[in-house]
Amino acid sequence: SQQGEEDPQALSIQEGENATMNCSYKTSINNLQWYRQNSGRGLVHLILIRSNEREKHSGRLRVTLDTSKKSSSLLITASRAADTASYFCATDRGRGGSYIPTFGRGTSLIVHP
Amino acid sequence: NAGVTQTPKFRVLKTGQSMTLLCAQDMNHEYMYWYRQDPGMGLRLIHYSVGEGTTAKGEVPDGYNVSRLKKQNFLLGLESAAPSQTSVYFCASSPHRPGTGELFFGEGSRLTVL
Repeated sequence: SQQGEEDPQALSIQEGENATMNCSYKTSINNLQWYRQNSGRGLVHLILIRSNEREKHSGRLRVTLDTSKKSSSLLITASRAADTASYFCATDRGRGGSYIPTFGRGTSLIVHP
Repeated sequence: NAGVTQTPKFRVLKTGQSMTLLCAQDMNHEYMYWYRQDPGMGLRLIHYSVGEGTTAKGEVPDGYNVSRLKKQNFLLGLESAAPSQTSVYFCASSPHRPGTGELFFGEGSRLTVL
């Protein structure tokens, strides 16, 4: 079973616009990570946010975490065509409470030039 | 550095055949993972290893076996391939204890079982 679930499943925007993706999870976590996957490639780590953090930035990326709502969001500002990819959240809680990174189904982002 | 290397990148099998996927990492990471990725399903953990000589089952271990005889290598075996094992397989490694830090992924191995 998936611990994190991304929303929306697909997102299509124009270059220069902001893209927001959300991740909801079911059980308490210690941290949450976001990854990017370009078509036909492996996943690349973007950012990790801990449960005692509310917001974190990395370049054009902004991640928020609301542990009371069990949700996180990834904001990409001033998007570029090169941001076209699938984005996954991963929590540190899997089935049965294990600490193995558990991934959601991802959000497919298309940025039109 | 090569990072995480998976071989082969592509393979076509017939039902009942066996094969082994090799994952090699040159970063001296302690922890290694095998995931499978299917359309609409995200990544699901097959098996993982917390150190040389140790392996453990993940979410979907049936039909697969693994071995970690050397720290740098994590092998995923299919003893009798089934069409349901058609998927893209990803290996990942990490220097961090499970769930505490980033994973480094290989480029994937695309397996088709006819």
